[in-house]
Amino acid sequence: GAGVSQSPSNKVTEKGKDVELRCDPISGHTALYWYRQSLGQGLEFLIYFQGNSAPDKSGLPSDRFSAERTGGSVSTLTIQRTQQEDSAVYLCASSLVTSGGAGKETQYFGPGTRLLVL
Amino acid sequence: AQKITQTQPGMFVQEKEAVTLDCTYDTSDPSYGLFWYKQPSSGEMIFLIYQGSYDQQNATEGRYSLNFQKARKSANLVISASQLGDSAMYFCAMRELGGSYIPTFGRGTSLIVHP
Repeated sequence: GAGVSQSPSNKVTEKGKDVELRCDPISGHTALYWYRQSLGQGLEFLIYFQGNSAPDKSGLPSDRFSAERTGGSVSTLTIQRTQQEDSAVYLCASSLVTSGGAGKETQYFGPGTRLLVL
Repeated sequence: AQKITQTQPGMFVQEKEAVTLDCTYDTSDPSYGLFWYKQPSSGEMIFLIYQGSYDQQNATEGRYSLNFQKARKSANLVISASQLGDSAMYFCAMRELGGSYIPTFGRGTSLIVHP
């Protein structure tokens, strides 16, 4: 079946502009995660959606960042008034979280969106 | 405090040899899971192997095995018979089951396999 898809694959924008990044998770996956990866760095958690629960936004670096997940499926990460330090790869992952999963549910990652803010 | 530590920024190995990538972690939660991911130059994160804190045996998946030493809080990845295609970044991650379902990732180790 189809994996996690993200669009666009690359985005170049000017400082101050807004951008929207899209993530299509694997069908049926209840959990969706957004991460940011700067050049040569590990993954920085941004936001987590699980089912109908309120999202965990604890990783969002500023109020310029927001995300929504419509219908428990597609998610959009929006960055308003982009800054040069927002340049990074934005990765989306999904997993099927179950009560009996014991935490071993694997995250499946998309190919990422490479954002460059000029 | 950093929860996942990968002390080797870069590793080199000869093709067909084994290599160990280090990962230590810090948690007070008795229930947790440890993951290893591979990120080739294409950028996509690929799941390799999982170890649960209560698993009695070390996890193995093909050429990948996890040297899990619970008392030392280490979960080193062993790749046997390295192949050129193993050249990539490798990330260790941990999920604490008593808290949120958000994994914490290490900074990664870059592995280069020489022919």
